[in-house]
Amino acid sequence: GAVVSQHPSWVICKSGTSVKIECRSLDFQATTMFWYRQFPKQSLMLMATSNEGSKATYEQGVEKDKFLINHASLTLSTLTVTSAHPEDSSFYICSTGDLYSNQPQHFGDGTRLSIL
Amino acid sequence: SQQGEEDPQALSIQEGENATMNCSYKTSINNLQWYRQNSGRGLVHLILIRSNEREKHSGRLRVTLDTSKKSSSLLITASRAADTASYFCATDAYPGNTPLVFGKGTRLSVIA
Repeated sequence: GAVVSQHPSWVICKSGTSVKIECRSLDFQATTMFWYRQFPKQSLMLMATSNEGSKATYEQGVEKDKFLINHASLTLSTLTVTSAHPEDSSFYICSTGDLYSNQPQHFGDGTRLSIL
Repeated sequence: SQQGEEDPQALSIQEGENATMNCSYKTSINNLQWYRQNSGRGLVHLILIRSNEREKHSGRLRVTLDTSKKSSSLLITASRAADTASYFCATDAYPGNTPLVFGKGTRLSVIA
């Protein structure tokens, strides 16, 4: 079964709306989660690293005030796209892994965000 | 993060043929992984090869790793129409919970 649950899977909304995406680890405590973005026909690019109980670390070029990340518990990280615009339309996907295991990370199923 | 390169960017083959995709990366790695992504869907983990391994098999998949050339290849034998997808390699530098650096991907089309 799924180890990482991501919701919603698809969002269509008007420009200016804020959208929250949730990523939950189901089987273990995730001190760190990663958020990636994928534009059509492109690869996944790391946006930010979400750390439980502390501020997220953002990659260069990613606006921290635009993409708010909250990791308030060991099982939940949220990404909020604030005042979304059409250029924010993309596929957002989270991942996490067990810190003490050298096993592949687990990915959520992704969220397709379409801003009209 | 620096992305790796994959070639070809797109590959079209007939069902039953073999498909080979290559990946190059730029920094020292701990693991290299291959993922499949169907159009508009999430990632499916295919295989992980560690930096001290040179070849790994899983079903119809064969992965090689050459750390001296910083490159890897994914071979899919006896391809099927259901193998049509995008394939990405991804590397990480340390064991455990670190972000992955993805290659640009190869779009594979298998024609029945």
